[in-house]
Amino acid sequence: TQLLEQSPQFLSIQEGENLTVYCNSSSVFSSLQWYRQEPGEGPVLLVTVVTGGEVKKLKRLTFQFGDARKDSSLHITAAQPGDTGLYLCAGVGAGGTSYGKLTFGQGTILTVHP
Amino acid sequence: KAGVTQTPRYLIKTRGQQVTLSCSPISGHRSVSWYQQTPGQGLQFLFEYFSETQRNKGNFPGRFSGRQFSNSRSEMNVSTLELGDSALYLCASSPPGTGNTGELFFGEGSRLTVL
Repeated sequence: TQLLEQSPQFLSIQEGENLTVYCNSSSVFSSLQWYRQEPGEGPVLLVTVVTGGEVKKLKRLTFQFGDARKDSSLHITAAQPGDTGLYLCAGVGAGGTSYGKLTFGQGTILTVHP
Repeated sequence: KAGVTQTPRYLIKTRGQQVTLSCSPISGHRSVSWYQQTPGQGLQFLFEYFSETQRNKGNFPGRFSGRQFSNSRSEMNVSTLELGDSALYLCASSPPGTGNTGELFFGEGSRLTVL
Protein backbone atom coordinates (compact mmCIF):
# COMPACT_ATOMS: atom_id res chain seq x y z
CA THR A 1 0.00 0.00 0.00
CA GLN A 2 1.41 3.35 -1.03
CA LEU A 3 1.19 6.12 1.54
CA LEU A 4 1.95 9.80 1.38
CA GLU A 5 2.74 11.54 4.64
CA GLN A 6 2.38 15.29 4.80
CA SER A 7 3.92 17.55 7.38
CA PRO A 8 3.10 19.64 9.17
CA GLN A 9 -0.60 18.91 9.61
CA PHE A 10 -1.32 22.46 10.73
CA LEU A 11 0.53 25.68 9.99
CA SER A 12 -0.46 29.08 11.36
CA ILE A 13 1.71 31.98 10.27
CA GLN A 14 1.70 35.74 9.82
CA GLU A 15 1.38 37.46 6.48
CA GLY A 16 4.76 37.86 4.83
CA GLU A 17 6.37 34.76 6.34
CA ASN A 18 7.76 31.91 4.28
CA LEU A 19 6.74 28.28 4.74
CA THR A 20 7.43 24.80 3.43
CA VAL A 21 5.10 21.80 3.35
CA TYR A 22 6.54 18.33 2.91
CA CYS A 23 5.11 15.21 1.31
CA ASN A 24 7.05 11.99 1.91
CA SER A 25 6.73 8.34 1.02
CA SER A 26 8.76 5.15 1.01
CA SER A 27 7.30 4.36 -2.42
CA VAL A 28 8.24 5.69 -5.82
CA PHE A 29 5.63 7.71 -7.67
CA SER A 30 5.52 8.34 -11.41
CA SER A 31 4.05 11.78 -10.77
CA LEU A 32 3.03 13.95 -7.86
CA GLN A 33 0.49 16.72 -7.76
CA TRP A 34 -0.38 19.48 -5.34
CA TYR A 35 -3.92 20.65 -4.80
CA ARG A 36 -5.41 23.46 -2.74
CA GLN A 37 -8.87 23.16 -1.24
CA GLU A 38 -10.93 25.89 0.34
CA PRO A 39 -13.85 25.22 2.70
CA GLY A 40 -16.96 24.08 0.88
CA GLU A 41 -15.15 23.55 -2.40
CA GLY A 42 -13.35 20.77 -4.20
CA PRO A 43 -9.56 20.54 -4.51
CA VAL A 44 -8.00 22.67 -7.25
CA LEU A 45 -4.94 21.40 -9.08
CA LEU A 46 -1.90 23.64 -8.59
CA VAL A 47 0.89 21.70 -10.29
CA THR A 48 2.06 18.30 -11.52
CA VAL A 49 5.68 17.17 -11.27
CA VAL A 50 6.86 14.10 -13.13
CA THR A 51 10.66 14.15 -13.31
CA GLY A 52 12.95 13.43 -10.36
CA GLY A 53 14.60 16.66 -9.22
CA GLU A 54 12.09 18.79 -11.08
CA VAL A 55 11.36 22.27 -9.75
CA LYS A 56 8.32 24.26 -10.83
CA LYS A 57 7.40 27.79 -9.86
CA LEU A 58 3.93 29.29 -9.79
CA LYS A 59 4.23 32.94 -8.74
CA ARG A 60 5.19 32.75 -5.02
CA LEU A 61 4.84 28.96 -4.89
CA THR A 62 7.78 26.64 -5.60
CA PHE A 63 7.27 22.92 -6.00
CA GLN A 64 10.03 20.32 -5.97
CA PHE A 65 9.99 16.61 -6.76
CA GLY A 66 12.67 14.56 -5.02
CA ASP A 67 15.44 12.98 -7.06
CA ALA A 68 14.19 9.49 -6.18
CA ARG A 69 10.57 10.48 -6.86
CA LYS A 70 9.54 9.53 -3.33
CA ASP A 71 8.96 12.98 -1.92
CA SER A 72 7.94 16.50 -2.78
CA SER A 73 7.83 19.91 -1.18
CA LEU A 74 5.80 23.07 -1.57
CA HIS A 75 7.43 26.35 -0.56
CA ILE A 76 5.44 29.58 -0.31
CA THR A 77 7.30 32.87 -0.21
CA ALA A 78 5.78 35.88 1.53
CA ALA A 79 2.50 34.16 2.38
CA GLN A 80 -0.71 36.13 2.03
CA PRO A 81 -4.12 35.61 3.68
CA GLY A 82 -5.42 34.44 0.31
CA ASP A 83 -3.07 31.44 0.57
CA THR A 84 -5.14 30.08 3.47
CA GLY A 85 -6.52 26.64 2.75
CA LEU A 86 -5.94 22.90 2.80
CA TYR A 87 -2.95 21.82 0.75
CA LEU A 88 -2.94 18.24 -0.50
CA CYS A 89 -0.26 16.24 -2.23
CA ALA A 90 -1.30 13.30 -4.37
CA GLY A 91 0.58 10.74 -6.41
CA VAL A 92 0.29 8.18 -9.18
CA GLY A 93 2.06 4.91 -8.41
CA ALA A 94 5.14 4.09 -10.42
CA GLY A 95 4.75 2.01 -13.53
CA GLY A 96 1.04 2.25 -14.07
CA THR A 97 -1.80 4.30 -15.42
CA SER A 98 -3.79 5.95 -12.68
CA TYR A 99 -7.29 5.15 -13.98
CA GLY A 100 -8.48 7.91 -11.71
CA LYS A 101 -6.83 6.59 -8.57
CA LEU A 102 -4.50 8.93 -6.75
CA THR A 103 -2.95 8.38 -3.35
CA PHE A 104 -3.59 11.50 -1.30
CA GLY A 105 -1.72 12.80 1.70
CA GLN A 106 -3.72 13.78 4.76
CA GLY A 107 -3.27 17.44 3.97
CA THR A 108 -1.79 20.55 5.58
CA ILE A 109 -4.16 23.20 6.89
CA LEU A 110 -2.51 26.57 6.35
CA THR A 111 -3.79 29.72 8.02
CA VAL A 112 -2.19 33.02 7.15
CA HIS A 113 -3.06 35.85 9.53
CA PRO A 114 -3.10 39.46 8.27
CA LYS B 1 -15.32 26.09 -20.31
CA ALA B 2 -17.67 24.98 -17.54
CA GLY B 3 -16.17 23.02 -14.67
CA VAL B 4 -17.28 19.77 -13.10
CA THR B 5 -20.83 20.09 -11.83
CA GLN B 6 -22.16 18.03 -8.95
CA THR B 7 -25.71 17.83 -7.67
CA PRO B 8 -27.07 18.06 -5.11
CA ARG B 9 -24.59 20.14 -3.12
CA TYR B 10 -26.07 19.25 0.25
CA LEU B 11 -28.36 16.48 1.41
CA ILE B 12 -29.51 14.91 4.63
CA LYS B 13 -30.61 11.29 4.85
CA THR B 14 -31.40 8.85 7.61
CA ARG B 15 -29.81 5.49 8.26
CA GLY B 16 -31.04 2.77 5.95
CA GLN B 17 -32.01 5.09 3.13
CA GLN B 18 -30.23 5.29 -0.19
CA VAL B 19 -28.83 8.24 -2.07
CA THR B 20 -27.89 9.04 -5.66
CA LEU B 21 -25.36 11.73 -6.52
CA SER B 22 -24.85 13.16 -9.97
CA CYS B 23 -21.79 14.50 -11.77
CA SER B 24 -21.34 16.23 -15.13
CA PRO B 25 -17.69 16.30 -16.21
CA ILE B 26 -15.88 19.03 -18.09
CA SER B 27 -16.77 18.92 -21.77
CA GLY B 28 -14.43 16.55 -23.59
CA HIS B 29 -13.40 14.67 -20.46
CA ARG B 30 -14.45 11.05 -20.66
CA SER B 31 -12.91 9.78 -17.43
CA VAL B 32 -14.88 10.39 -14.25
CA SER B 33 -13.66 9.46 -10.79
CA TRP B 34 -15.36 9.57 -7.41
CA TYR B 35 -13.75 10.20 -4.03
CA GLN B 36 -15.00 10.27 -0.46
CA GLN B 37 -13.50 12.91 1.82
CA THR B 38 -13.79 12.71 5.61
CA PRO B 39 -11.81 14.48 8.35
CA GLY B 40 -10.45 11.19 9.65
CA GLN B 41 -9.59 9.35 6.43
CA GLY B 42 -8.95 12.19 4.03
CA LEU B 43 -9.63 11.59 0.34
CA GLN B 44 -10.30 7.98 -0.55
CA PHE B 45 -10.83 6.68 -4.07
CA LEU B 46 -14.18 5.06 -4.78
CA PHE B 47 -14.17 4.21 -8.50
CA GLU B 48 -13.44 5.49 -11.99
CA TYR B 49 -15.45 5.24 -15.18
CA PHE B 50 -14.47 5.67 -18.81
CA SER B 51 -16.75 5.13 -21.78
CA GLU B 52 -19.48 3.72 -19.52
CA THR B 53 -17.10 1.09 -18.09
CA GLN B 54 -15.74 0.91 -14.57
CA ARG B 55 -11.97 0.69 -14.98
CA ASN B 56 -10.87 0.98 -11.38
CA LYS B 57 -12.36 0.49 -7.96
CA GLY B 58 -11.29 1.34 -4.44
CA ASN B 59 -11.82 -0.58 -1.22
CA PHE B 60 -15.40 0.28 -0.42
CA PRO B 61 -18.26 -2.13 0.28
CA GLY B 62 -20.72 -3.11 -2.40
CA ARG B 63 -23.23 -0.58 -1.03
CA PHE B 64 -21.29 1.97 -3.05
CA SER B 65 -21.91 1.76 -6.76
CA GLY B 66 -21.75 3.96 -9.79
CA ARG B 67 -22.41 4.20 -13.46
CA GLN B 68 -21.58 6.37 -16.40
CA PHE B 69 -23.79 7.36 -19.28
CA SER B 70 -22.96 7.75 -22.97
CA ASN B 71 -22.60 11.52 -22.54
CA SER B 72 -19.93 10.88 -19.82
CA ARG B 73 -22.19 12.07 -17.03
CA SER B 74 -21.90 9.85 -13.99
CA GLU B 75 -23.91 8.90 -10.95
CA MET B 76 -22.97 7.18 -7.76
CA ASN B 77 -25.35 5.44 -5.42
CA VAL B 78 -25.01 4.49 -1.78
CA SER B 79 -27.57 2.05 -0.45
CA THR B 80 -28.48 1.24 3.15
CA LEU B 81 -26.83 4.36 4.46
CA GLU B 82 -24.79 4.21 7.65
CA LEU B 83 -23.74 7.05 9.95
CA GLY B 84 -20.16 6.59 8.77
CA ASP B 85 -21.16 7.41 5.20
CA SER B 86 -21.46 11.07 6.18
CA ALA B 87 -18.84 12.76 4.05
CA LEU B 88 -18.07 15.07 1.18
CA TYR B 89 -18.35 13.11 -2.05
CA LEU B 90 -16.18 14.53 -4.79
CA CYS B 91 -16.41 13.87 -8.47
CA ALA B 92 -13.44 14.57 -10.73
CA SER B 93 -12.89 14.39 -14.45
CA SER B 94 -9.66 13.93 -16.36
CA PRO B 95 -8.68 15.23 -19.78
CA PRO B 96 -7.52 12.81 -22.47
CA GLY B 97 -3.88 11.80 -22.30
CA THR B 98 -3.39 12.25 -18.56
CA GLY B 99 -3.60 8.61 -17.55
CA ASN B 100 0.05 8.52 -16.47
CA THR B 101 0.15 11.91 -14.75
CA GLY B 102 -3.30 11.58 -13.23
CA GLU B 103 -4.48 15.18 -13.15
CA LEU B 104 -7.95 15.47 -11.70
CA PHE B 105 -10.38 18.37 -12.02
CA PHE B 106 -12.77 18.26 -9.10
CA GLY B 107 -16.29 19.49 -8.65
CA GLU B 108 -17.40 21.30 -5.50
CA GLY B 109 -18.71 18.09 -3.99
CA SER B 110 -21.92 16.78 -2.51
CA ARG B 111 -22.01 16.94 1.26
CA LEU B 112 -24.00 14.03 2.64
CA THR B 113 -25.14 13.93 6.25
CA VAL B 114 -26.60 10.69 7.56
CA LEU B 115 -28.70 10.96 10.73
